[in-house]
Amino acid sequence: LAKTTQPPSMEAYEGQEVNVSCSHTNIATSEYIYWYRQVPHQGPQFIIQGYKDYVVNEVASLFISADRKLSTLSLPWVSLRDAAVYYCIVTDSQGGRALIFGTGTTVSVSP
Amino acid sequence: GALVYQYPRRTICKSGTSMRMECQAVGFQATSVAWYRQSPQKTFELIALSTVNSAIKYEQNFTQEKFPISHPNLSFSSMTVLNAYLEDRGLYLCGARETNSDYTFGSGTRLLVI
Repeated sequence: LAKTTQPPSMEAYEGQEVNVSCSHTNIATSEYIYWYRQVPHQGPQFIIQGYKDYVVNEVASLFISADRKLSTLSLPWVSLRDAAVYYCIVTDSQGGRALIFGTGTTVSVSP
Repeated sequence: GALVYQYPRRTICKSGTSMRMECQAVGFQATSVAWYRQSPQKTFELIALSTVNSAIKYEQNFTQEKFPISHPNLSFSSMTVLNAYLEDRGLYLCGARETNSDYTFGSGTRLLVI
C-alpha cells in the first residue's frame, strides 16, 4: 500500500478556503485516493475520492497532480464544523483491502 | 443511506477482564468489516479485516487469541478484547463496506481499563 504524507496541522478562519495536501509518491496504478475526516466523538466520514485530474462534490474538491503523486483536498468557505482531522488514504479498494490510516491533518477553524 | 451503528459508545472494564463491542450495518450488506484501534495520541491501527466467506486476516501485533472477531452475517460483526490491560485502552472503530463500495464507519467504542 502506498504511504501518504500530510502536514500535521493547519489553521484557518471561518470563510476561508483550506487546502490540505497529501503526498503519495509510491501510488500504484490500481490505487485510488480517498479523503475522510473525523470530528470529535465520531468515526471517520467519507469526503471524496478520485483517481486522476479533478473531482468535485458538494463538500469538497480534489486536485490530483498529473503524475498522481500529490493530491490536494480543497474545502471552500470553511466553518467551525469543518474543524476535524483529515485523512488521506491511498488504496486499491477493488482488491478488498481495508483502509490504512496515516496520521492525518488536524484542521483548526477560528471564528 | 449506508449507516454503521457501533455500541457501546464507551465502556470501562477492570484490568484482566474482557469486553465485547458490536457493529451493525444498516442500509447495505457488510461483506467486509474492518476493526481498528486508536490509542491515545496515535492514528488508527488496523486490527483485522473480516470478509464474508473468507478467513479473518489479522495484522501484525494483533491476534485472534486476543481480539476474537465474529462476522456471522451481512449486517453484524463483533469483536472482543480479551484480558484487557492498560495498553488496550483507546477508541475501537469498525468500518464496513459492500463489495466495490466505500467504507462506512461507526462512531467507535471508547475503552477505558482500570
